[in-house]
Formats: sequence, C-alpha cells, structure tokens
Amino acid sequence: AQTVTQSQPEMSVQEAETVTLSCTYDTSESNYYLFWYKQPPSRQMILVIRQEAYKQQNATENRFSVNFQKAAKSFSLKISDSQLGDTAMYFCAFTHTGANSKLTFGKGITLSVRP
Amino acid sequence: NAGVTQTPKFQVLKTGQSMTLQCAQDMNHEYMSWYRQDPGMGLRLIHYSVGAGITDQGEVPNGYNVSRSTTEDFPLRLLSAAPSQTSVYFCASKTAGGPYEQYFGPGTRLTVT
Repeated sequence: AQTVTQSQPEMSVQEAETVTLSCTYDTSESNYYLFWYKQPPSRQMILVIRQEAYKQQNATENRFSVNFQKAAKSFSLKISDSQLGDTAMYFCAFTHTGANSKLTFGKGITLSVRP
Repeated sequence: NAGVTQTPKFQVLKTGQSMTLQCAQDMNHEYMSWYRQDPGMGLRLIHYSVGAGITDQGEVPNGYNVSRSTTEDFPLRLLSAAPSQTSVYFCASKTAGGPYEQYFGPGTRLTVT
C-alpha cells in the first residue's frame, strides 16, 4: 500500500517571498503520478501541478514548481512570488497508473500568506 | 460543461436517519469516487467505481453504500447516520486512462447530531 506524508501541518510566508511545501511518499510501484491540490476557504479542490514518475524533468506551472526526487521518494512544491490568494490548504497526492488507480492523499498543510 | 456537481451543499441529520448524497459528472468519465475529509486526516477514499455496474470499497467504506447505474451518476447512501460520519464529502471523477488527475465536486458538509 502506498502512503503519503506531509509532516508540516502549517506554514506562513510573507507576500512576494518563496515557500516550499514538503511531501514524501512510499510505494513499490514504478509507474505513478504525483499531484499537488490546493483547497482555498471555498473548499473546492483545485489541481495545482502534476508530475509523471517516468519524467525526470520537474513540472512547472507559472509560479508553482516541484522538486521531484524519485530515489528519495520526495515531491516538494515551491511557490514563488507568493500572493495572498495562495492562502489555502495544500494536499500532496499519489496514484499508480491503471484503470483501478486510487488517489492517496497526505494530511495536508495550511499555508498562510502574510501581507 | 458543469464538471462534477454535488447536492446538497450542506445537510444536517439526526442519528439514525438515512440520506443520499448526489453526484453527477458530464465529462463521460469512467471512474468516479467518493472521499471524506476530516480535520488532520486529509481525504480518505470511501468507495469508487470504474464504470457503470462496477463498484468497490475504498479505505473507509463502513456505513456507506454506493451504486452506479449510469456513467454520469454515482450516489452515496448513508444507511443509518452516526455522529462519526460528520464530515465533508467530495465526489470526484477521471478518465480510465491517463493523465490520472481527478476532478472534484464542490463538496457536501454533513453534520450528524
């Protein structure tokens, strides 16, 4: 069974600065995907970024980028130029490939961006 | 495209009552799933379905029933509500193949008193 660990329950960052959210996972699968989801106070789950395990290049989406270390089973999210709208809970998630694939979530981290 | 819709948005039940949380998607996704979100626990999978007529249990299935008679709909039934089922419930869907991200509904906040 796979597990996803987010060990920091809360973080705070000053507006315009950079923050990194940590995530580690454990799996025996070789083909899988990793995700970061954002959950603002509206409660909606929003996909931030996706990483395919077979790709060595780290994914980037505008101000969001990941540091994917496959051997270490680490998948951290870097948010550059933090904005007030980035205040949210962030979840790291894992799924193996296949029709029956299930999404396993970490416990989440609450990020606060200070003005 | 409405995406994934859920009704109701909020619900209060008394212990022992039953109810159905509705979920529908208009993206022709084969895979649909239900999660519950509790403080400090992340999202945990309750039940999932890989197609009409096929359902399976997730991590926390006790006290919940599902069925999948159409591709579009995947209702979640609480048979006899308990205070431990107070939670936020999310429905999600995805295609059977890649790229594997799931699309979430807006959630239902359920309180059982």
